[in-house]
Amino acid sequence: QVQLVQSGAEVKKPGASVKVSCKASGFSFTNYYMHWVRQAPGQGLEWMGVIDPSGGTTTYAQKLQGRVTMTRDTSTSTVYMELSSLRSDDTALYYCARGYYYNRFDIWGQGTMVTVSA
Amino acid sequence: QSALTQPASVSGSPGQSITISCTGTSSDVGGHDYVSWYQEHPGKAPKLMIYDVSHRPSGVSNRFSGSKSGNTASLTISGLQAEDEADYYCSSYASSNTRLFGTGTKVTVL
Repeated sequence: QVQLVQSGAEVKKPGASVKVSCKASGFSFTNYYMHWVRQAPGQGLEWMGVIDPSGGTTTYAQKLQGRVTMTRDTSTSTVYMELSSLRSDDTALYYCARGYYYNRFDIWGQGTMVTVSA
Repeated sequence: QSALTQPASVSGSPGQSITISCTGTSSDVGGHDYVSWYQEHPGKAPKLMIYDVSHRPSGVSNRFSGSKSGNTASLTISGLQAEDEADYYCSSYASSNTRLFGTGTKVTVL
């Protein structure tokens, strides 16, 4: 079964970092880009960045440059998204999504809620 | 990199057709045929409905269709049904391997 399973909800204080995992199964991990997308409560989808699991190459959204890091572990078919210097407006549901060709997010994880609160 | 512009809401009666627009620039929507559309029901992950402007993934109803003219892409839902009530987002490939999402449109079935 093709699926992406994400790690559980997190509560962090402002200034801290969070690392969310996304484990892939049912398909060849290194053949597909993996994207991260977030959605603040009541807001729209925001593209955060993409990683090529085969070589580890990343591209990040300009507004998150310097705070976001995406990595992968090919031995466990898992991608990670770490966001640092957390602020209250980073409170959101974070999704990983499989990227097919240029712009098809065809498989999505279940989402990981990250809450930033003092 | 600004979000693509969509109307905040669109509504229609059952059986009618509605169209949602998605306006970008020549660097994203207008510059590539890599526009996709997603349906999001409350509490659920987004679902791919259209890719590469006008192609439907297997399993998506043929009531959903996509098109593009210049810097504006469109999603049309024909024969509107109650189950189509959801939020819809467009997405486009943009410059330097980045992607953009639209602002989102709430579809209401009257």
